[in-house]
Amino acid sequence: RKEVEQDPGPFNVPEGATVAFNCTYSNSASQSFFWYRQDCRKEPKLLMSVYSSGNEDGRFTAQLNRASQYISLLIRDSKLSDSATYLCAVNRNAGNNRKLIWGLGTSLAVNP
Amino acid sequence: SQTIHQWPATLVQPVGSPLSLECTVEGTSNPNLYWYRQAAGRGLQLLFYSVGIGQISSEVPQNLSASRPQDRQFILSSKKLLLSDSGFYLCAWSVRGFSYEQYFGPGTRLTVT
Repeated sequence: RKEVEQDPGPFNVPEGATVAFNCTYSNSASQSFFWYRQDCRKEPKLLMSVYSSGNEDGRFTAQLNRASQYISLLIRDSKLSDSATYLCAVNRNAGNNRKLIWGLGTSLAVNP
Repeated sequence: SQTIHQWPATLVQPVGSPLSLECTVEGTSNPNLYWYRQAAGRGLQLLFYSVGIGQISSEVPQNLSASRPQDRQFILSSKKLLLSDSGFYLCAWSVRGFSYEQYFGPGTRLTVT
Protein backbone atom coordinates (compact mmCIF):
# COMPACT_ATOMS: atom_id res chain seq x y z
CA ARG A 1 0.00 0.00 0.00
CA LYS A 2 1.30 3.45 -0.89
CA GLU A 3 1.88 5.87 1.95
CA VAL A 4 -0.42 8.45 0.37
CA GLU A 5 -3.03 7.60 -2.25
CA GLN A 6 -5.31 9.71 -4.38
CA ASP A 7 -7.82 8.95 -7.10
CA PRO A 8 -6.03 10.25 -10.21
CA GLY A 9 -9.29 11.20 -11.95
CA PRO A 10 -9.76 13.05 -14.16
CA PHE A 11 -12.83 14.57 -12.62
CA ASN A 12 -14.83 16.40 -15.27
CA VAL A 13 -17.49 18.65 -13.79
CA PRO A 14 -19.61 21.53 -15.11
CA GLU A 15 -19.21 25.04 -13.80
CA GLY A 16 -21.09 25.53 -10.56
CA ALA A 17 -20.84 21.90 -9.52
CA THR A 18 -19.60 20.66 -6.16
CA VAL A 19 -16.74 18.19 -6.29
CA ALA A 20 -14.89 16.32 -3.57
CA PHE A 21 -11.54 14.56 -3.52
CA ASN A 22 -10.20 12.14 -0.95
CA CYS A 23 -6.66 11.28 0.00
CA THR A 24 -5.82 8.27 2.16
CA TYR A 25 -2.64 7.92 4.21
CA SER A 26 -1.11 4.88 5.85
CA ASN A 27 0.88 6.31 8.76
CA SER A 28 -1.45 6.71 11.74
CA ALA A 29 1.18 8.88 13.43
CA SER A 30 0.94 11.60 10.77
CA GLN A 31 0.00 14.96 12.21
CA SER A 32 0.20 17.49 9.39
CA PHE A 33 -1.87 17.43 6.22
CA PHE A 34 -2.03 19.74 3.25
CA TRP A 35 -3.74 20.29 -0.06
CA TYR A 36 -1.73 21.84 -2.88
CA ARG A 37 -2.85 22.97 -6.29
CA GLN A 38 -0.64 22.46 -9.35
CA ASP A 39 -1.41 24.06 -12.68
CA CYS A 40 -0.05 22.51 -15.84
CA ARG A 41 3.73 22.90 -16.06
CA LYS A 42 3.82 25.03 -12.91
CA GLU A 43 4.97 24.51 -9.37
CA PRO A 44 2.62 23.24 -6.65
CA LYS A 45 1.10 25.99 -4.53
CA LEU A 46 -0.25 25.55 -1.04
CA LEU A 47 -4.04 25.64 -1.09
CA MET A 48 -4.95 24.70 2.46
CA SER A 49 -3.60 23.16 5.59
CA VAL A 50 -5.97 20.57 7.04
CA TYR A 51 -6.73 20.91 10.71
CA SER A 52 -8.30 18.36 13.02
CA SER A 53 -11.45 20.44 13.29
CA GLY A 54 -11.66 20.98 9.56
CA ASN A 55 -11.24 24.32 7.88
CA GLU A 56 -12.91 26.39 5.24
CA ASP A 57 -11.60 29.06 2.91
CA GLY A 58 -14.28 30.51 0.70
CA ARG A 59 -15.51 27.78 -1.63
CA PHE A 60 -12.95 25.28 -0.35
CA THR A 61 -13.43 23.02 2.67
CA ALA A 62 -10.88 20.56 4.00
CA GLN A 63 -11.64 17.77 6.44
CA LEU A 64 -9.59 15.22 8.33
CA ASN A 65 -10.88 11.78 9.29
CA ARG A 66 -8.30 10.22 11.59
CA ALA A 67 -10.27 7.05 12.25
CA SER A 68 -10.34 6.16 8.56
CA GLN A 69 -7.04 7.91 7.80
CA TYR A 70 -8.06 10.19 5.00
CA ILE A 71 -8.36 13.86 4.24
CA SER A 72 -10.86 15.42 1.89
CA LEU A 73 -11.17 18.57 -0.17
CA LEU A 74 -14.57 19.92 -1.15
CA ILE A 75 -14.91 22.57 -3.81
CA ARG A 76 -18.28 24.28 -4.10
CA ASP A 77 -19.54 26.34 -7.03
CA SER A 78 -16.68 25.20 -9.28
CA LYS A 79 -15.08 27.78 -11.54
CA LEU A 80 -13.24 27.25 -14.79
CA SER A 81 -10.15 28.54 -13.00
CA ASP A 82 -10.34 25.64 -10.54
CA SER A 83 -9.13 23.30 -13.30
CA ALA A 84 -5.82 21.93 -12.05
CA THR A 85 -4.24 18.96 -10.35
CA TYR A 86 -4.78 18.77 -6.61
CA LEU A 87 -2.03 17.16 -4.56
CA CYS A 88 -2.29 16.01 -0.98
CA ALA A 89 0.73 15.91 1.29
CA VAL A 90 1.22 14.27 4.68
CA ASN A 91 4.16 14.49 7.05
CA ARG A 92 6.21 11.32 7.26
CA ASN A 93 7.66 11.65 10.72
CA ALA A 94 8.54 14.10 13.42
CA GLY A 95 11.87 15.82 13.52
CA ASN A 96 13.65 18.77 12.11
CA ASN A 97 13.68 17.72 8.47
CA ARG A 98 9.99 18.38 7.93
CA LYS A 99 9.58 15.87 5.12
CA LEU A 100 6.27 15.45 3.37
CA ILE A 101 4.92 12.45 1.48
CA TRP A 102 2.98 13.34 -1.65
CA GLY A 103 0.08 11.82 -3.44
CA LEU A 104 0.19 11.58 -7.22
CA GLY A 105 -2.59 14.14 -7.54
CA THR A 106 -6.18 14.29 -8.69
CA SER A 107 -6.88 16.02 -11.98
CA LEU A 108 -9.91 18.32 -12.12
CA ALA A 109 -11.37 19.80 -15.30
CA VAL A 110 -14.22 22.27 -14.88
CA ASN A 111 -16.16 22.65 -18.11
CA PRO A 112 -18.28 25.57 -19.29
CA SER B 1 7.80 38.35 2.34
CA GLN B 2 9.63 35.23 1.35
CA THR B 3 10.60 34.53 -2.24
CA ILE B 4 12.25 31.52 -3.79
CA HIS B 5 14.13 31.69 -7.08
CA GLN B 6 15.24 28.93 -9.41
CA TRP B 7 17.16 29.07 -12.63
CA PRO B 8 17.27 28.34 -15.39
CA ALA B 9 13.57 27.89 -16.17
CA THR B 10 14.22 25.42 -18.97
CA LEU B 11 17.28 23.44 -19.97
CA VAL B 12 18.10 21.02 -22.76
CA GLN B 13 21.26 19.03 -22.18
CA PRO B 14 22.88 16.08 -23.99
CA VAL B 15 23.44 12.76 -22.26
CA GLY B 16 26.74 12.74 -20.41
CA SER B 17 26.90 16.49 -19.88
CA PRO B 18 27.13 18.09 -16.41
CA LEU B 19 24.30 19.84 -14.64
CA SER B 20 24.03 22.65 -12.15
CA LEU B 21 20.70 24.03 -10.95
CA GLU B 22 20.54 26.78 -8.40
CA CYS B 23 17.89 27.78 -5.90
CA THR B 24 17.94 30.77 -3.58
CA VAL B 25 15.49 31.88 -0.92
CA GLU B 26 14.93 35.46 0.22
CA GLY B 27 13.17 36.84 3.25
CA THR B 28 13.84 34.03 5.70
CA SER B 29 16.74 32.58 7.65
CA ASN B 30 17.74 29.00 8.43
CA PRO B 31 15.14 27.40 6.18
CA ASN B 32 14.87 23.70 5.48
CA LEU B 33 15.54 23.26 1.77
CA TYR B 34 14.40 20.49 -0.56
CA TRP B 35 15.02 19.30 -4.10
CA TYR B 36 12.25 17.36 -5.82
CA ARG B 37 11.89 15.85 -9.25
CA GLN B 38 8.58 15.38 -10.99
CA ALA B 39 8.78 13.16 -14.04
CA ALA B 40 6.09 13.34 -16.69
CA GLY B 41 2.86 11.86 -15.33
CA ARG B 42 4.44 10.99 -12.00
CA GLY B 43 4.43 12.36 -8.50
CA LEU B 44 6.88 14.47 -6.58
CA GLN B 45 10.02 12.54 -5.72
CA LEU B 46 12.14 13.97 -2.93
CA LEU B 47 15.79 13.91 -3.97
CA PHE B 48 17.61 15.82 -1.24
CA TYR B 49 16.86 17.91 1.80
CA SER B 50 19.00 20.14 3.97
CA VAL B 51 18.51 21.50 7.46
CA GLY B 52 21.59 23.73 7.39
CA ILE B 53 24.75 24.81 5.61
CA GLY B 54 26.71 21.80 4.47
CA GLN B 55 24.08 19.37 5.78
CA ILE B 56 22.61 17.29 2.96
CA SER B 57 20.51 14.16 3.19
CA SER B 58 19.92 12.03 0.12
CA GLU B 59 16.64 10.26 -0.37
CA VAL B 60 17.33 8.34 -3.55
CA PRO B 61 20.73 6.98 -4.66
CA GLN B 62 21.47 8.28 -8.14
CA ASN B 63 23.93 10.27 -10.16
CA LEU B 64 22.78 13.56 -8.67
CA SER B 65 24.29 15.47 -5.75
CA ALA B 66 23.34 18.56 -3.80
CA SER B 67 25.20 21.21 -1.89
CA ARG B 68 24.27 24.08 0.39
CA PRO B 69 27.18 26.51 0.40
CA GLN B 70 25.18 29.32 2.01
CA ASP B 71 22.18 29.43 4.31
CA ARG B 72 19.71 30.31 1.57
CA GLN B 73 21.36 28.69 -1.44
CA PHE B 74 20.80 25.14 -2.58
CA ILE B 75 22.47 23.63 -5.63
CA LEU B 76 21.67 20.43 -7.51
CA SER B 77 24.43 18.94 -9.63
CA SER B 78 25.35 16.03 -11.80
CA LYS B 79 28.64 15.12 -13.41
CA LYS B 80 27.03 13.11 -16.23
CA LEU B 81 23.37 13.31 -17.09
CA LEU B 82 21.30 10.29 -18.03
CA LEU B 83 18.17 10.23 -20.18
CA SER B 84 16.24 9.25 -17.06
CA ASP B 85 17.24 12.55 -15.42
CA SER B 86 14.72 14.42 -17.56
CA GLY B 87 11.96 15.99 -15.54
CA PHE B 88 10.69 19.01 -13.70
CA TYR B 89 13.05 19.95 -10.86
CA LEU B 90 11.54 21.85 -7.99
CA CYS B 91 13.22 23.52 -5.05
CA ALA B 92 11.19 24.11 -1.92
CA TRP B 93 11.69 25.61 1.51
CA SER B 94 10.01 25.33 4.87
CA VAL B 95 10.41 27.14 8.17
CA ARG B 96 12.67 25.12 10.41
CA GLY B 97 11.09 23.96 13.62
CA PHE B 98 7.69 25.51 13.03
CA SER B 99 5.58 23.95 10.31
CA TYR B 100 5.58 21.25 7.68
CA GLU B 101 4.30 23.62 5.00
CA GLN B 102 6.59 23.74 2.00
CA TYR B 103 6.79 26.50 -0.57
CA PHE B 104 8.04 25.84 -4.05
CA GLY B 105 10.11 27.74 -6.54
CA PRO B 106 9.01 28.02 -10.19
CA GLY B 107 11.00 24.95 -11.19
CA THR B 108 13.43 23.99 -13.92
CA ARG B 109 12.23 21.83 -16.78
CA LEU B 110 15.17 19.63 -17.85
CA THR B 111 15.22 17.62 -21.03
CA VAL B 112 18.14 15.28 -21.53
CA THR B 113 18.62 14.35 -25.20
